[in-house]
Amino acid sequence: DIQMTQSPSSLSASVGDRVTITCRASQGISNFLNWYQHRPGKAPKLLIYAASSLHSGVPSRFSGSGSGTDFTLTISSLQPEDLATYYCQQSYSSLLTFGGGTKVEIK
Amino acid sequence: EVHLVESGGVVVQPGRSLRLSCAASGFTFDDYTMHWVRQAPGKGLEWVSVISWDGGTTYYSDSVKGRFTISRDNSKNSLYLQMNSLRTEDTALYYCVKGLDSNLEDWGQGTLVTVSS
Repeated sequence: DIQMTQSPSSLSASVGDRVTITCRASQGISNFLNWYQHRPGKAPKLLIYAASSLHSGVPSRFSGSGSGTDFTLTISSLQPEDLATYYCQQSYSSLLTFGGGTKVEIK
Repeated sequence: EVHLVESGGVVVQPGRSLRLSCAASGFTFDDYTMHWVRQAPGKGLEWVSVISWDGGTTYYSDSVKGRFTISRDNSKNSLYLQMNSLRTEDTALYYCVKGLDSNLEDWGQGTLVTVSS
């Protein structure tokens, strides 16, 4: 199975800060990488697909980049509603796998 | 609007069986692959299984392979997960998810399965 490793596991930032989350795959996955937002008590939501494509309705402050084994999710200006855990997920293999998650807290 | 409603989650003893259901609406069900994803208490998301639009192809995570069976009834717009030989580590919130390619595009609210003696 393809292992996905996220860092950091948690972070705390202020409203308006630029936030960066990284995800590393155990083998090359081209751009078959998605990002999800999971707010407390809510269902997860797809944010980014194919490493850098913004899903419909997702604010433009979210962006993704990377290819191969290393990927990044960036929130350009953190908002209070961005309090959530963020997960990367590879779709290169039919056996999907998620990263361990990054919990984003607001200072 | 896509609507996915899971049901069937209960408290069950280890070794027993359980079937989860997911009622889908708001889209053409038989156009899409469907997934089950779970989240154990205090843990991250774990993909469980996927089924193709026609039910002809299925895949499972190593942790459930041989114990769980995914199926669908396109005439009823319904997805199922038959869970056998349940273990305490299967305790989780189980999400029904509509797939677009292998993107997990729309999620239900989940149904809670607790495996405990």
